Amino acid sequence: AQTVTQSQPEMSVQEAETVTLSCTYDTSESDYYLFWYKQPPSRQMILVIRQEAYKQQNATENRFSVNFQKAAKSFSLKISDSQLGDAAMYFCAYRSVVGYGGSQGNLIFGKGTKLSVKP
Amino acid sequence: EAGVTQFPSHSVIEKGQTVTLRCDPISGHDNLYWYRRVMGKEIKFLLHFVKESKQDESGMPNNRFLAERTGGTYSTLKVQPAELEDSGVYFCASSQRDSWMNTEAFFGQGTRLTVV
Repeated sequence: AQTVTQSQPEMSVQEAETVTLSCTYDTSESDYYLFWYKQPPSRQMILVIRQEAYKQQNATENRFSVNFQKAAKSFSLKISDSQLGDAAMYFCAYRSVVGYGGSQGNLIFGKGTKLSVKP
Repeated sequence: EAGVTQFPSHSVIEKGQTVTLRCDPISGHDNLYWYRRVMGKEIKFLLHFVKESKQDESGMPNNRFLAERTGGTYSTLKVQPAELEDSGVYFCASSQRDSWMNTEAFFGQGTRLTVV
């Protein structure tokens, strides 16, 4: 079974600086998807960025980028030029390819990292 | 376009009572998922509907939990009778019917259930 580990329960960053959130996972599958979700307080969880395992190039979305190390099974999220609105719980998630091994596309999450942004 | 909505946002009930959570997915989304996060732990998958059919309910903790999706629209998750360990945040997510491109799942804001 696949597992996702986020070793940092809480992180803090100064506004305008850069922070990296860690995520490792375990799987025997060769193709899969990885995601970072953000959940602001009392608000919906939204997708920040996704990475297809077959792609070597790291995904980037504006100030958010990932460092995907497939061999090491590591998937960290870097937030550049941090803003107050980035304060939230961040969840790393894994998803098998739909149909592979009977997968129906459900996500496997880590415990989350609570990010605080200091003004 | 309305997102995934969940009702209620909070619920406090006594042990032994019944609670029903509701999820309205994005219109046209065939896939509907329920997840639960117990305090300090991972968000765990509960079950998956495709339209009105249960595709995977391997994550349902026990038979005190009953999920339905009549007509393939909104879904309800009933807990009867509730126990203390059922406390947590229940998330619903929906997505379009999966193709090989594996479309994105959209989440609701969750229902915080507290059993006292």
